[in-house]
Amino acid sequence: GQNIDQPTEMTATEGAIVQINCTYQTSGFNGLFWYQQHAGEAPTFLSYNVLDGLEEKGRFSSFLSRSKGYSYLLLKELQMKDSASYLCAAMDSNYQLIWGAGTKLIIKP
Amino acid sequence: NAGVTQTPKFRVLKTGQSMTLLCAQDMNHEYMYWYRQDPGMGLRLIHYSVGEGTTAKGEVPDGYNVSRLKKQNFLLGLESAAPSQTSVYFCASSWTSDRAGELFFGEGSRLTVL
Repeated sequence: GQNIDQPTEMTATEGAIVQINCTYQTSGFNGLFWYQQHAGEAPTFLSYNVLDGLEEKGRFSSFLSRSKGYSYLLLKELQMKDSASYLCAAMDSNYQLIWGAGTKLIIKP
Repeated sequence: NAGVTQTPKFRVLKTGQSMTLLCAQDMNHEYMYWYRQDPGMGLRLIHYSVGEGTTAKGEVPDGYNVSRLKKQNFLLGLESAAPSQTSVYFCASSWTSDRAGELFFGEGSRLTVL
């Protein structure tokens, strides 16, 4: 079956760095996506990886290892506004997104 | 620059009632989707469309119907609402398959079925 696993909740301190992990199992693979969702709002696209390695975009970076079925989202210089849920999604061979349940990130001052 | 717009934002139904959720996008996207989001679960795909006049079933299609008569609109219908359909519904759109994972979401429609 197809499955995405990510931690349910994480806590970090303002100004610190946090890494949110995601493991996936899909029928075929056409990319790994990260979305941010603030409470009560819609998800918004953060990043896309299809090749192994690190993609950096400002304070956010995303890493992919296809051989391990593993990705992480790295958030640097955490700000209070980064408090949100982070959704990991893998695209299968039919170009369908398989979604994880999300990781709720709590930032403390 | 509206993006993806959903109406209504909130609705309370009684069991057995019917309703339609409307989604409109102004980005000329080919693909459109309806998802539901429940606590502790990932987004689940209800139905999707890869172009005007086409629809397909997703992961959880039972109890829902859809139509895409115009490229910019995607309607989700509940024929006979059940309490299990209490959820937050998100419409999304994207370009074609090579960029299909970059979804643009509407604000969500919160439905309660009593």
